[in-house]
Amino acid sequence: SQTIHQWPATLVQPVGSPLSLECTVEGTSNPNLYWYRQAAGRGLQLLFYSVGIGQISSEVPQNLSASRPQDRQFILSSKKLLLSDSGFYLCAWARAGAASQPQHFGDGTRLSIL
Amino acid sequence: AQSVTQPDIHITVSEGASLELRCNYSYGATPYLFWYVQSPGQGLQLLLKYFSGDTLVQGIKGFEAEFKRSQSSFNLRKPSVHWSDAAEYFCAVGDTGTASKLTFGTGTRLQVTL
Repeated sequence: SQTIHQWPATLVQPVGSPLSLECTVEGTSNPNLYWYRQAAGRGLQLLFYSVGIGQISSEVPQNLSASRPQDRQFILSSKKLLLSDSGFYLCAWARAGAASQPQHFGDGTRLSIL
Repeated sequence: AQSVTQPDIHITVSEGASLELRCNYSYGATPYLFWYVQSPGQGLQLLLKYFSGDTLVQGIKGFEAEFKRSQSSFNLRKPSVHWSDAAEYFCAVGDTGTASKLTFGTGTRLQVTL
């Protein structure tokens, strides 16, 4: 069966510090991968998605970037965090190659910026 | 552009009572529709999905949803709610691209009283 892992579960960072959140998927090949941010009362906002190694699509302009160095690894980064980057970050995967496959989510990372 | 509206931000029901959570979507073609549930501090779990065919869809944990094209709705129902169903529920619509992107509603928080 497929599993998705996100770490760390919680993170407290000072403003201006760098960020690296990692997500890995097991039990499937060439998945579509997604990063979301969830703010209270605002649902999930898609930040980035990837349909293959090195292929990153950004949905909204922001202070963050994403990379996919390996088939089942998806990394969310920032060079300098802003207060507005606080939130709950979720990684998800879906089977590739067919329209609207359901997405499967990790347990998330709670990021607090001080 | 596709969109999802969940008109109820917060709903409270008594344990054993029936439940209906509303979801309205906007999409130009036949939609792919999903319901997810999120417990506090956790990721999202897929409850059910609608792609085509029978408009009444059965999911996990005793949930079902009915697709009504004429009303652009995909409401989630459960005949008898359990205290463990207290969580946040998200409706989502998927596009027809192979990237399987989802657009989420802002969620409905369900509280269950004993």
